[in-house]
Amino acid sequence: DTEVTQTPKHLVMGMTNKKSLKCEQHMGHRAMYWYKQKAKKPPELMFVYSYEKLSINESVPSRFSPECPNSSLLNLHLHALQPEDSALYLCASSQVETAYEQYFGPGTRLTVT
Amino acid sequence: GENVEQHPSTLSVQEGDSAVIKCTYSDSASNYFPWYKQELGKGPQLIIDIRSNVGEKKDQRIAVTLNKTAKHFSLHITETQPEDSAVYFCASRGSTLGRLYFGRGTQLTVWP
Repeated sequence: DTEVTQTPKHLVMGMTNKKSLKCEQHMGHRAMYWYKQKAKKPPELMFVYSYEKLSINESVPSRFSPECPNSSLLNLHLHALQPEDSALYLCASSQVETAYEQYFGPGTRLTVT
Repeated sequence: GENVEQHPSTLSVQEGDSAVIKCTYSDSASNYFPWYKQELGKGPQLIIDIRSNVGEKKDQRIAVTLNKTAKHFSLHITETQPEDSAVYFCASRGSTLGRLYFGRGTQLTVWP
C-alpha cells in the first residue's frame, strides 16, 4: 500500500483567512514533503521533514508554516496568502530521506480570492 | 544545482503505437531517475524508476533506459492505450538528499 491522503480536496480562502492543509500516511515512512504545483508546471519542493524535524525549507515565505506533529501526519498552515499562491499543493512521503522512491498524495487544490 | 531537460513538451500518438520521452540531466552525481504519470486532477504517480548502476528496466509495456556517459534517460511506452494519456514528468536525484529535480513535463495524448 503506497497511499498518501490529503484533506481537503479543494479549498477556497480569502487573503485574510487562516486555514490548514492536512496530509497523512500509514506506510511507516519517516520523510514527508510539501510541494506546490502550478498549472502545466512540474512540482516545486517547499519543505522536507525527516523524523519529524524540518530538514529542507526552500526559502518559502513565512505565510506558509509547516508542522509535523507525528511520523504519520504533516500539516501546512496558511495565513495571509496572496492570489498567486493559488495552486495544487501536493504532499509526498518516502521511507526515509535517503530512500529513493517518493509517493505523492492526490493534492489539495487551493484558490485564494 | 541540477538541471533536467525534457522533450518533447507534447506528444500525440495513435493507439497501439510506441511513445518515447527523453530527458537529460547535468549533475554527474545524480544516481536515481524516476518517472511520474499525472492524470488530470490527480497527484503524480510513480510508474517506473532506474538507479545509476542499471542501464535498462522494464515493467510490462513501460521501459526506462539510462546512459550515464551521455547523461540522458528515456521512457518508452509500447502498445499505447488511451488511458496512457497524461502528463509525464522525469526527475533526477542528485547529491541533495530528498530533493528531486523535475523536468518540465510531456503531455502525451493517445488517440483511439
